[in-house]
Amino acid sequence: DVKVTQSSRYLVKRTGEKVFLECVQDMDHENMFWYRQDPGLGLRLIYFSYDVKMKEKGDIPEGYSVSREKKERFSLILESASTNQTSMYLCASSKLAAKNIQYFGAGTRLSVL
Amino acid sequence: QKEVEQDPGPLSVPEGAIVSLNCTYSNSAFQYFMWYRQYSRKGPELLMYTYSSGNKEDGRFTAQVDKSSKYISLFIRDSQPSDSATYLCAMSAESGANSKLTFGKGITLSVRP
Repeated sequence: DVKVTQSSRYLVKRTGEKVFLECVQDMDHENMFWYRQDPGLGLRLIYFSYDVKMKEKGDIPEGYSVSREKKERFSLILESASTNQTSMYLCASSKLAAKNIQYFGAGTRLSVL
Repeated sequence: QKEVEQDPGPLSVPEGAIVSLNCTYSNSAFQYFMWYRQYSRKGPELLMYTYSSGNKEDGRFTAQVDKSSKYISLFIRDSQPSDSATYLCAMSAESGANSKLTFGKGITLSVRP
């Protein structure tokens, strides 16, 4: 079974803090994704990585950065958290040539106060 | 017009009912159509994956695609309380490494015992 593990289920941070969300997958997938999910807005892609140290911007990259130093790990970084970044963050992975078949983690619910 | 529109719901049905979930889309290049299911406090998981027009059946679930009308449906027969979840449609123009998934906003289904 593919497993995508997000390090935290719930996080509470203060405005201006630097926040790290971590994601690990155990199926040797090349692709990894970060989404945020908001009521009424659905799933929106923040960043995508297809290889170590490679990244591509998604639909809403502003205010976020990512890091992929190892194939199995993909980190989302909020350099200076703001209240409008309060959301559910979902990590996903897929094989390189099967990008439509994504495996998701359980999500991290981030609250920025 | 948004690329993918999905009925916002929520939808509540009695156990045993036939459920129809629908999405419309505007991009005629879409050829690959997916339904993801998301249980509460979990990440989405792929439920059905179809290519081009036609029907695909898997147990109590049937995915239907009508490309001429730019309309896709997921039918659930003999619905069960365990089917209570949020259902997201997703679609893409390609299947390989260059694919980009576009998600609907999701509809929450509740099946009453």
